[in-house]
Amino acid sequence: AQSVTQLGSHVSVSEGALVLLRCNYSSSVPPYLFWYVQYPNQGLQLLLKYTTGATLVKGINGFEAEFKKSETSFHLTKPSAHMSDAAEYFCAVTGAGSYQLTFGKGTKLSVIP
Amino acid sequence: DVKVTQSSRYLVKRTGEKVFLECVQDMDHENMFWYRQDPGLGLRLIYFSYDVKMKEKGDIPEGYSVSREKKERFSLILESASTNQTSMYLCASRLTGGNQPQHFGDGTRLSIL
Repeated sequence: AQSVTQLGSHVSVSEGALVLLRCNYSSSVPPYLFWYVQYPNQGLQLLLKYTTGATLVKGINGFEAEFKKSETSFHLTKPSAHMSDAAEYFCAVTGAGSYQLTFGKGTKLSVIP
Repeated sequence: DVKVTQSSRYLVKRTGEKVFLECVQDMDHENMFWYRQDPGLGLRLIYFSYDVKMKEKGDIPEGYSVSREKKERFSLILESASTNQTSMYLCASRLTGGNQPQHFGDGTRLSIL
């Protein structure tokens, strides 16, 4: 069984400030982890994924995430927020051989000018 | 780029109607998925298909059925629409393998009156 917890349903940052969106997971098998972004009235777009190998993963739009097995975390960061980053972000987990992708409930990011 | 196309962006139907939501992908993906998205609940899996004519129930299949007669097309059917099925519906597809990301369509916002 797998589950995802995203801490904070809403996060506000100032333009130019660090973005940190938290994701903790539980999984009975080695996890594959994903971050998706959703802009209003659109589907989900893949930001980045961790499967195996390097634990620091770089994605699109300047985002990156670090897989920390000991902390069961996969937090998403971006050094400097831009107005265009305002969106909802979803963390998701699955395992090898699994069809089911389990999503967190999402974190809505607001960027203040 | 993968393209997942959902036939309607917005749809309004009446209770008791039979409703069809269509999804087409152009990347020869084996696996396809239907989710519903509701505020505060995140994404919940309704059904998925791991190959043509194959289907599996997800977490919330009650009141829904699916059809996959061709590899590129996955249909969601509301047998007798009810107001509690008013939601955003998202289709996704991916290659087989837990490390493969799911690619999403833009969603269909369905209102049942």
